Amino acid sequence: EAQVTQNPRYLITVTGKKLTVTCSQNMNHEYMSWYRQDPGLGLRQIYYSMNVEVTDKGDVPEGYKVSRKEKRNFPLILESPSPNQTSLYFCASSLLRGRNSPLHFGNGTRLTVT
Amino acid sequence: GNSVTQMEGPVTLSEEAFLTINCTYTATGYPSLFWYVQYPGEGLQLLLKATKADDKGSNKGFEATYRKETTSFHLEKGSVQVSDSAVYFCALAGPSNTGNQFYFGTGTSLTVIP
Repeated sequence: EAQVTQNPRYLITVTGKKLTVTCSQNMNHEYMSWYRQDPGLGLRQIYYSMNVEVTDKGDVPEGYKVSRKEKRNFPLILESPSPNQTSLYFCASSLLRGRNSPLHFGNGTRLTVT
Repeated sequence: GNSVTQMEGPVTLSEEAFLTINCTYTATGYPSLFWYVQYPGEGLQLLLKATKADDKGSNKGFEATYRKETTSFHLEKGSVQVSDSAVYFCALAGPSNTGNQFYFGTGTSLTVIP
């Protein structure tokens, strides 16, 4: 089954403790992206990647890192989490070429930083 | 620049009522337009899409027509069901020098009561 898999689904951590949220897709998509969803703000893009070893900042990249060493994986890294990073995070992927290609989303990771 | 504006919610309707969720966009060039739906506790799923002016996207009784003259992509359904309760996101994908870039509205929460 074609899917985007994120782990974990829920994560509670403390300020400053490094964490990684994993994302993997099995559709051979070039494009992958991370979003955060906050009430009243909709989806905001954190980072995206056009292909292996190609990443770029989205609208709200501060406090986050990403890497794209393999085509299928795109982990989100919070080196020193802070309470303002408490949010619902989504990973998404799509084919890069062609305006018809929709984004496919994972089921989300709800992060709480205390 | 590219952006999407959709009507604010929440929207509450009785079962079998007619639904309209307004969406307007600003874009350079010729974007593709999408509606995504997010059910409670899940990621966003593609509901329908349209890739050029006057195209009508449809799925599960929902419809939206790409109106270039009014830069709109309003979502409609003739008779909503309780199972349609979800958050709906309008989005556009605009071509850039490096591939598609997605822009989302802030989402409209719909609750359908029996």
